Amino acid sequence: GAVVSQHPSWVICKSGTSVKIECRSLDFQATTMFWYRQFPKQSLMLMATSNEGSKATYEQGVEKDKFLINHASLTLSTLTVTSAHPEDSSFYICSAREDRSNQPQHFGDGTRLSIL
Amino acid sequence: GEDVEQSLFLSVREGDSSVINCTYTDSSSTYLYWYKQEPGAGLQLLTYIFSNMDMKQDQRLTVLLNKKDKHLSLRIADTQTGDSAIYFCAEKGNGGATNKLIFGTGTLLAVQP
Repeated sequence: GAVVSQHPSWVICKSGTSVKIECRSLDFQATTMFWYRQFPKQSLMLMATSNEGSKATYEQGVEKDKFLINHASLTLSTLTVTSAHPEDSSFYICSAREDRSNQPQHFGDGTRLSIL
Repeated sequence: GEDVEQSLFLSVREGDSSVINCTYTDSSSTYLYWYKQEPGAGLQLLTYIFSNMDMKQDQRLTVLLNKKDKHLSLRIADTQTGDSAIYFCAEKGNGGATNKLIFGTGTLLAVQP
């Protein structure tokens, strides 16, 4: 149980393109999902907390207009990197937590984004 | 602020035990987690421990928690080459509605055949 599916797994696109990444909880409902960014050989950096039916909570220094988050249902959150540039290239990972707050976060397999 | 530290690298021989250590600063942590990340993949939850526990064992994995010293360790018995990966500890505080995780820097475990 507790499977999180993240798509796509790898994206290569031109500078200026907007890219949408999906995060789905397959066998549980997730009121809260999280979006992380990971640079090579570094730890995970929390970008934002996605709340179903309400606005996302962004961490300090993360541009909300650049990284649009939508959490329209209890099993789906999307992250859209708008007008992506080479510096946005990174590994993006989502996680989801079951509705009971003491449950652990379960992670997707990540999306490697490369902007040319 | 909250901080979680780990040693960067550990090398062991196949069949030996591995011990990965983690220290944290938030004394209000409620849960502490160990995640495994293989190259190019997301994080896999290995185990977690509630802050009022001292030890938790799950097959080859043993988690020890010293709450007084804010020290967490993960012992992997009979380490296999398939255990080679980066291991992250993470702590969840007791503040705020989201209770976000704070991750350590990650420990690269290299298992020599």
